[in-house]
Formats: sequence, structure tokens, C-alpha cells
Amino acid sequence: GESVGLHLPTLSVQEGDNSIINCAYSNSASDYFIWYKQESGKGPQFIIDIRSNMDKRQGQRVTVLLNKTVKHLSLQIAATQPGDSAVYFCAELNWANNLFFGTGTRLTVIP
Amino acid sequence: EAGVTQFPSHSVIEKGQTVTLRCDPISGHDNLYWYRRVMGKEIKFLLHFVKESKQDESGMPNNRFLAERTGGTYSTLKVQPAELEDSGVYFCASSQEGKIPGEGSYNEQFFGPGTRLTVL
Repeated sequence: GESVGLHLPTLSVQEGDNSIINCAYSNSASDYFIWYKQESGKGPQFIIDIRSNMDKRQGQRVTVLLNKTVKHLSLQIAATQPGDSAVYFCAELNWANNLFFGTGTRLTVIP
Repeated sequence: EAGVTQFPSHSVIEKGQTVTLRCDPISGHDNLYWYRRVMGKEIKFLLHFVKESKQDESGMPNNRFLAERTGGTYSTLKVQPAELEDSGVYFCASSQEGKIPGEGSYNEQFFGPGTRLTVL
């Protein structure tokens, strides 16, 4: 079944540094992953996605890396800004279009 | 265009009482999902509507939870009777067609702000 998790519950970075948030999953048949950002008082917001036939995908200041060998996913945020402070979730989209989330990493950006 | 809205934003009730949460999806979205996050844990899938039909309710924790979507527009999630472990944030999301898309694209699920439920 679907099973995703996150390595660290919290992460603090200095403004301007790069952030790396990690996620592991257990189902080797997992095909589609998404990173979400949840700010205080708001619902999760889509950041970037990646399919299992890709190793890397880039967006604006964000990069997602997928290592299928070790079943590991990471989100890299370049030049982290105070507005990036939030809880970040990795999620797997199953065959029925339902999302299965990890536990989340709270990113705190230190000015 | 209005996003997904949820009501109420907060609810504090006593154990044994009943609470009804409401979700209004984005207009025209056939798919509606309920999720829940218990403190410090993952966001868990509860169920999925396609229009007024329950497509998948495998995540519903027990029969104290009842979800409806009469007419295929807004949805309600009723908890009766509420227990302490039901406390958490309940999220609703909606999307257009539910099929998994081709490369690089995604029928994004848009989330509402959530309802924070506290059962005392």
C-alpha cells in the first residue's frame, strides 16, 4: 500500500541558504509524487510534482529529486526566503487519484 | 475565482457531541476529497466523491463519520458522537477530472484552509 514519510520533523535554515527536505517511501510501485507547502492557517498548496520515470524536475527556485533505488525523494529550495517558512509534505498519488501524505517537515527560515 | 472554502474554521465541542463540517469546492469540480491531520502526524485521506457518489471511502476511520454530497456540489462531514481522538484539522480538496494525467501535468487538488476540530 501507500506509505510515505519524512526524515526530519523540523528544519531551520539561514535566509539565503539552500534548503533540502527529505522524504522516504516504501512502495516500489509508486508512480507519482508531489510536494506540498502548507502555511499557517491555509491548506496544502501544490509546489512541484515528479513521475517515477524521471530523476529530477525543476521549478522556480525548487528542485525535486527522485532516487528509486533507495526510494527517496527530496525537495531543494534555492536561496531560501522568509516566505518559504511553512510545513512541507511529500505525497504519493495513487491509482484512484487519492493523495497519501508524509508527516511533514516544518521549515523555519532565520533572517 | 473563489477557491475551496470550509466552514467553520474552528470548532470546539465536548466528547459525545455532534459536529458537522462543510466544504464548498471550486465551481465545476466534480471531485471532492476529505483529509484529516491529527496533531503532528501525516495528512490522511478519508474519502473521495465524484459528483454525488462516493468513489472511495476506505480512509473513513469508523461509522461515527458520515460524509454526504447531495446534488454533487458542497459536501458535509458529520462526526457523531465525537471522541477525543477525532481532534485535528480536517481538509477538503477538489479537482477536475480524476484521471491521472500524462507526463508533467496533474489535475491538481486544490485544498481549502481546513477546519480545526477540538474535542474536549
